[in-house]
Amino acid sequence: NAGVTQTPKFQVLKTGQSMTLQCAQDMNHNSMYWYRQDPGMGLRLIYYSASEGTTDKGEVPNGYNVSRLNKREFSLRLESAAPSQTSVYFCASSEFSGGSYNEQFFGPGTRLTVL
Amino acid sequence: SQQGEEDPQALSIQEGENATMNCSYKTSINNLQWYRQNSGRGLVHLILIRSNEREKHSGRLRVTLDTSKKSSSLLITASRAADTASYFCATGYSGGGADGLTFGKGTHLIIQP
Repeated sequence: NAGVTQTPKFQVLKTGQSMTLQCAQDMNHNSMYWYRQDPGMGLRLIYYSASEGTTDKGEVPNGYNVSRLNKREFSLRLESAAPSQTSVYFCASSEFSGGSYNEQFFGPGTRLTVL
Repeated sequence: SQQGEEDPQALSIQEGENATMNCSYKTSINNLQWYRQNSGRGLVHLILIRSNEREKHSGRLRVTLDTSKKSSSLLITASRAADTASYFCATGYSGGGADGLTFGKGTHLIIQP
């Protein structure tokens, strides 16, 4: 099993350009998440999808959109990139069961630079 | 805002010594989790402790939870060079929902050979 995969690994954009970060998991998890990590910081939640067909905003959703394409895939789109969106982006998945969330499994990250 | 706050921010010890890092949080929790992040890599889950548990062990790791003080500690015994990493505590945004985790800024641990 590959776990959680993310593409691309690295990306450089110019201000105003758009792009989509892809994430897929093969663990049959219901819940998926997008986080960003800035230097010296912990992760901050951008969007999440508790189950297929649903998406909700996290702590820092401005400037981003998401699509839960199916149970496996959860994409993050930057419509008009800004330098403040320079960060490392992590996708994660978990199984929410029995009224409790469990451990999250993380992808390797996408390092994005916006010039 | 980040709910978890790790202490210390950085810790440097000799190989073979024990490393202790602490986490404080603000609101009630369902469980608290610890993760490790090696430089430039994704996070790896270490251990999850539920709100009705006080202590949990996994190999060389020991986690304690004090819900009255809203704090947790992670102890790594007999440290190795490979333990060099950043360690984060994480709690849920709400009591039991699948709505993501709140992370602290982490403790950067350096094990010197």
